[in-house]
Amino acid sequence: DGGITQSPKYLFRKEGQNVTLSCEQNLNHDAMYWYRQDPGQGLRLIYYSQIVNDFQKGDIAEGYSVSREKKESFPLTVTSAQKNPTAFYLCASSGARYTEAFFGQGTRLTVV
Amino acid sequence: RKEVEQDPGPFNVPEGATVAFNCTYSNSASQSFFWYRQDCRKEPKLLMSVYSSGNEDGRFTAQLNRASQYISLLIRDSKLSDSATYLCVVKMDDKIIFGKGTRLHILP
Repeated sequence: DGGITQSPKYLFRKEGQNVTLSCEQNLNHDAMYWYRQDPGQGLRLIYYSQIVNDFQKGDIAEGYSVSREKKESFPLTVTSAQKNPTAFYLCASSGARYTEAFFGQGTRLTVV
Repeated sequence: RKEVEQDPGPFNVPEGATVAFNCTYSNSASQSFFWYRQDCRKEPKLLMSVYSSGNEDGRFTAQLNRASQYISLLIRDSKLSDSATYLCVVKMDDKIIFGKGTRLHILP
């Protein structure tokens, strides 16, 4: 089945450690996105990528890094520089220019 | 001005009633528009796209007013299962911006 997969669903890390969240899609979509959602809040754009080997910062990129080495994959690294990393992280992909985004099930990151 | 603005609610509405949500966006170059639904602790899912001519899907009607930069969603004959957060979404080139969402509670 076509879709977008995020793993793991729940992730716990100690403060000061970098952590990488996985996002894979088999929808043949060019564009991929990472959002962060805090409790009771909306989705905030971290990074997005329109093509392989290219990506742009969103509204809250500080403390995060991404790569886009393959069309199917867009991993997000939460670095130790991110001051409040505990959140719900959502990955999405989108096809042709005016079409909607499809989401993975999200990763809940807790940093203790 | 925020890029996409919505009334956060909550809207507490009796079952069977009609409810309307509004959304405004700041960038007149925005190209496509959507309403998403998000259930508690789940990922957002597409409810419907929004077209200038207006579009309907069962009990749901969406409308776009480009001149006023305004999007609406109407839910008729509301069901308990409609309780969720409704997100207004705007796409420009490949950037997708979400409103903070409007919470809807349908009361039995």
